[in-house]
Amino acid sequence: QVQLVQSGAEVKRPGSSVKFSCKVSGGRFSSYALNWVRQAPGQGLEWMGRIIPLEGTATLAQKFQGRVTISADELTSTLYMEVSSLRSEDTALYFCARGGYRGAAGDALDIWGQGTMATVSS
Amino acid sequence: EIVLTQSPATLSLSPGERATLSCRASQNVRGYLAWYQQRPGQAPRLLIYDTSNRATGIPARFSGSGSGTDFTLTISSLEPEDFAVYYCQQRSDWPPTFGQGTRVEIK
Repeated sequence: QVQLVQSGAEVKRPGSSVKFSCKVSGGRFSSYALNWVRQAPGQGLEWMGRIIPLEGTATLAQKFQGRVTISADELTSTLYMEVSSLRSEDTALYFCARGGYRGAAGDALDIWGQGTMATVSS
Repeated sequence: EIVLTQSPATLSLSPGERATLSCRASQNVRGYLAWYQQRPGQAPRLLIYDTSNRATGIPARFSGSGSGTDFTLTISSLEPEDFAVYYCQQRSDWPPTFGQGTRVEIK
């Protein structure tokens, strides 16, 4: 069965960068959309962006353009997301998720990683 | 972007009762409406996609309905493991957006 396993927790200073990883096992990697969603403490879900490895192009929510980079390594079946210029508001649990069902604009997310907590604090 | 408004914010019910959760969109989402369940300390789990299709392994007590801008998730008879937070999500227009969630708690 398909599993998404994410990297460990991060603690970062404001203004620095963080790179998350998400390894996909047990299924096809390239043909599904792979998404990033974050959740601030006690808050709801926020979609950040996605990439379809086969196509190579990432789509980002407008608020993250210029500060977030999403990439995928087909050789290792690993998804990445780098967030730069970190601020305290970026403190959140970051999830990767497979887009199992395509829609007109994005995906229904059928398989999720366990989440990576990132804390941004001076 | 499309704004999804979920109601109520909190639903207090007893096991065995029926739960009805609402999600209203700021514009027509053409049926591209999904529902997720999130238990404490866990990742969200896809329950329903495209308004009424249950995801793999989801029990039949979960059902979705609606059209246009108004959608409903119904849990026919609450099991202890169903007490959680539920989110709706649209993927009709960029960016995909989520509602703010409805918490189903034990009365």
